[in-house]
Amino acid sequence: DARVTQTPRHKVTEMGQEVTMRCQPILGHNTVFWYRQTMMQGLELLAYFRNRAPLDDSGMPKDRFSAEMPDATLATLKIQPSEPRDSAVYFCASKVRGAVVEAFFGQGTRLTVV
Amino acid sequence: QKEVEQNSGPLSVPEGAIASLNCTYSDRGSQSFFWYRQYSGKSPELIMFIYSNGDKEDGRFTAQLNKASQYVSLLIRDSQPSDSATYLCAPASGGSYIPTFGRGTSLIVHP
Repeated sequence: DARVTQTPRHKVTEMGQEVTMRCQPILGHNTVFWYRQTMMQGLELLAYFRNRAPLDDSGMPKDRFSAEMPDATLATLKIQPSEPRDSAVYFCASKVRGAVVEAFFGQGTRLTVV
Repeated sequence: QKEVEQNSGPLSVPEGAIASLNCTYSDRGSQSFFWYRQYSGKSPELIMFIYSNGDKEDGRFTAQLNKASQYVSLLIRDSQPSDSATYLCAPASGGSYIPTFGRGTSLIVHP
């Protein structure tokens, strides 16, 4: 059962703490996306990687957010320090580059910063 | 301003009716579009991809693209309560077909 796996599913943290969200893309997928979803802004693209290289992170607040792919099976999104306005659902998605267009989404990490 | 504009709704239709979901976009360079469906508390899933002007049909779903008017729509025929969800329109950006989403339209199909 190929699927994108995100951990944790839920995270509650205090303002100022570091948060790390993890994503395991579908095996063989070489393009990985991070999205953030809020009621106000909808689903926003934060960053994406191809073959583990960051191609675009222009949607991400640079001062506190960082995204990496230490290896082909793991993508991470870190927030340090976290703020209440970071409360959202963070989705990871993966796809195969090229003519196959469908991106498959993980179940998301619901982050609450208090 | 987002690149894609959708009426947030909710759009309420009776069971069996045709639901019409609309999306306008600002980038004339956009060539292809996704429609994703997102159930409450779940992740988005792809239901349609369209890249040519005109209509594309898949079962009860028809996507329509008008590049001259910068308009893309999704029609759902014989709407069912199980179609109640948020529908997200997204231009496919770049060679990797990256979805960049609008806020989505909430659809409610009532029995």
